[in-house]
Amino acid sequence: GESVGLHLPTLSVQEGDNSIINCAYSNSASDYFIWYKQESGKGPQFIIDIRSNMDKRQGQRVTVLLNKTVKHLSLQIAATQPGDSAVYFCAENTGGFKTIFGAGTRLFVKA
Amino acid sequence: DTEVTQTPKHLVMGMTNKKSLKCEQHMGHRAMYWYKQKAKKPPELMFVYSYEKLSINESVPSRFSPECPNSSLLNLHLHALQPEDSALYLCASSQDQGGTDTQYFGPGTRLTVL
Repeated sequence: GESVGLHLPTLSVQEGDNSIINCAYSNSASDYFIWYKQESGKGPQFIIDIRSNMDKRQGQRVTVLLNKTVKHLSLQIAATQPGDSAVYFCAENTGGFKTIFGAGTRLFVKA
Repeated sequence: DTEVTQTPKHLVMGMTNKKSLKCEQHMGHRAMYWYKQKAKKPPELMFVYSYEKLSINESVPSRFSPECPNSSLLNLHLHALQPEDSALYLCASSQDQGGTDTQYFGPGTRLTVL
């Protein structure tokens, strides 16, 4: 069936280093991908998105890369800060309003 | 205002109770969503309303009954729930561009069913 998954359940990085969070998706028809950040006790917060006609998109300190050949998505966070500690979800829109979330990666930032 | 509000923050109910969760947004969004999130799991889509009409029901049991009384409000009526229904219930809204638009999430209602 359709699924969006993450390669690593947890990621620990040193403050100031760059973080890379990976995601694999299985539905080749998906055309819209989103990264969300969820802090403890809060709802998911939009970070960045990318459409299937692009392979890279940059935001403030974040970059999303899309490799449609291998159905892989990644989120890069530059100069990771303690406030970046959270669970990160990739999500794909499989058509209409249906959004499927990946399993999530917990990012720990060590001071 | 980019806020989605949800009430109550926490809810404890028995299996014979009837309760309702409420969600409100004033961003002019015309799509509204209910998700269920179990601990350490991703959100799972339950319902989607588009222009106040039910667009998606992800085979959710009938003990969950959504309602969209107007474009700013979304309710989730609960009746005869089971302990396994305990979860964080998240509401989201978006502009309604067929799904390829940013969803804004509320903080959720933490539901415990005894």
